[in-house]
Amino acid sequence: DSGVTQTPKHLITATGQRVTLRCSPRSGDLSVYWYQQSLDQGLQFLIQYYNGEERAKGNILERFSAQQFPDLHSELNLSSLELGDSALYFCASSLGPLVDTEAFFGQGTRLTVV
Amino acid sequence: AQKITQTQPGMFVQEKEAVTLDCTYDTSDQSYGLFWYKQPSSGEMIFLIYQGSYDEQNATEGRYSLNFQKARKSANLVISASQLGDSAMYFCAMREGRDNQGGKLIFGQGTELSVKP
Repeated sequence: DSGVTQTPKHLITATGQRVTLRCSPRSGDLSVYWYQQSLDQGLQFLIQYYNGEERAKGNILERFSAQQFPDLHSELNLSSLELGDSALYFCASSLGPLVDTEAFFGQGTRLTVV
Repeated sequence: AQKITQTQPGMFVQEKEAVTLDCTYDTSDQSYGLFWYKQPSSGEMIFLIYQGSYDEQNATEGRYSLNFQKARKSANLVISASQLGDSAMYFCAMREGRDNQGGKLIFGQGTELSVKP
């Protein structure tokens, strides 16, 4: 168990809908990272938050947004969903603003858009 | 731009034998970190091993060791005494050291390892 908790584990929704994925980092970790894993794109970094502030942005679509709350949990919001958004979404956490020697991943949320 | 290359899409190894998974990287930074993760069919990403660019010794964690050749920009994972439970996808990843890049990891495309009994 990595200590990073993601909910839900599975999500099936229709095109055009909006969903929210939730991540609780390991106790004490201040950084949260979101990644998308799809068959054609592989593992892609989406966005990082550190202590409530956006720290780095990757290939995140404008239809996607995220935030980190005062209790350090994070949510990734995906809207106007398309079939191509079907993927495994991972959250990872680390203590500081840079991944030091370890970055622990949650079990992922498998999103299926139908 | 930083890049991770894993040239072996799939590999087979006999149980109890050692196997090497290749990883090469490209970066202009002097400070960076290299990681290996295991992803079994259940989907979770399991951290295996880390090597810092300034570490002179190769990292080891149990049956896992990282063969770090800085001049060649390679960071191969060696798994000794393979077990059936080692069958999984393995990803090499890199974190650059520049603070303004944040802490993101760049991943390779992965190598699928199958261990034969």
